[in-house]
Amino acid sequence: DGGITQSPKYLFRKEGQNVTLSCEQNLNHDAMYWYRQDPGQGLRLIYYSQIVNDFQKGDIAEGYSVSREKKESFPLTVTSAQKNPTAFYLCASSLRDRVYQPQHFGDGTRLSIL
Amino acid sequence: GESVGLHLPTLSVQEGDNSIINCAYSNSASDYFIWYKQESGKGPQFIIDIRSNMDKRQGQRVTVLLNKTVKHLSLQIAATQPGDSAVYFCAELEGANNLFFGTGTRLTVIP
Repeated sequence: DGGITQSPKYLFRKEGQNVTLSCEQNLNHDAMYWYRQDPGQGLRLIYYSQIVNDFQKGDIAEGYSVSREKKESFPLTVTSAQKNPTAFYLCASSLRDRVYQPQHFGDGTRLSIL
Repeated sequence: GESVGLHLPTLSVQEGDNSIINCAYSNSASDYFIWYKQESGKGPQFIIDIRSNMDKRQGQRVTVLLNKTVKHLSLQIAATQPGDSAVYFCAELEGANNLFFGTGTRLTVIP
């Protein structure tokens, strides 16, 4: 079945450590997104990419980095510069050539500090 | 920036009753809105969407109403079932791909 796969489901980070969250989609979607969700809050956009080898900062990009080397993959690195990384991270994708298209989400990665 | 918010953070309904979840938006230029359902530990699941050139759109057991005059969006769920218990988010599209989400309403269905 087509969908978005995020891994791992749970991740722990030590002080000063960078960690990378994986997001893969087989929906043949052009656009991919990373969101952060804190308890009791909505989703906030970290980064998004509309095509391969191109990406833009969202509202809360500081302390994060991404790459888009392949259409189906959009990994997110949470760097040591992100001082409050504990959150639920969600990856999404959508078609790019049609504007009024919903984003479809993976089941998230929960990141915690050791 | 513009904000999307919800009137009520929690809603409890009896099984079989209809549910109405409300959402206010502030960007009058927004022309596309989406409702998502999020179950515990999972990602948001698309329910229904509506463009600003429509006032109402129906799906299976769900209806979305859009009132552009007062910038209000609602999601109606008919014959609510225990499986409908979740957090519901409205989101508005700004630009080509940027979605802005509200904080969500937790729906609890009482058997």
